[in-house]
Amino acid sequence: AQSVAQPEDQVNVAEGNPLTVKCTYSVSGNPYLFWYVQYPNRGLQFLLKYITGDNLVKGSYGFEAEFNKSQTSFHLKKPSALVSDSALYFCAVREGSGTYKYIFGTGTRLKVLA
Amino acid sequence: NAGVTQTPKFQVLKTGQSMTLQCAQDMNHEYMSWYRQDPGMGLRLIHYSVGAGITDQGEVPNGYNVSRSTTEDFPLRLLSAAPSQTSVYFCASSIRDSLPRELFFGEGSRLTVL
Repeated sequence: AQSVAQPEDQVNVAEGNPLTVKCTYSVSGNPYLFWYVQYPNRGLQFLLKYITGDNLVKGSYGFEAEFNKSQTSFHLKKPSALVSDSALYFCAVREGSGTYKYIFGTGTRLKVLA
Repeated sequence: NAGVTQTPKFQVLKTGQSMTLQCAQDMNHEYMSWYRQDPGMGLRLIHYSVGAGITDQGEVPNGYNVSRSTTEDFPLRLLSAAPSQTSVYFCASSIRDSLPRELFFGEGSRLTVL
């Protein structure tokens, strides 16, 4: 069965510093990977996805993610954090063809300190 | 453009009562799904549908029923509410395609079962 792990409940980073939010996955076939962001009392919003091709994926608001097949990871990164990036971030996976189940991680709260 | 609309936003039930959470989307998305969000557990898939007349179970389907009579609507029914069903519920939809598409989420429905 497919699964996603986000090992950190919370990540604190100073404004202007680079940030990384970690995600590892487990699937039996090819993975399709996603990052979403949730602001307080709102639904989730799509940031970026990896389907195939380049291992470095660029998304909304300056975020990017690096797909690493050997480490089964898909970490979210941003070169320079903003206070407004503070939110709850979710990694999700959908296994390759044949299933429409999108499985989410437990979420990582990012706090950017001014 | 309304996107994904969930009603009600807030609901309080007593144990044993029944209710339906409504979800409607105006994007002609074939794929629709329901998640529950609980602290420390992330988003867990309850049920999903890949088109009118087709539904399937997710990770935590027990205690919930769904049906999909139209492309636009995907209601979630609680037949006999239990305190363990206290949660925030999110409906999400996407295009059903040969490659995975990002999910569009509603704003959530907060349910409390006393």
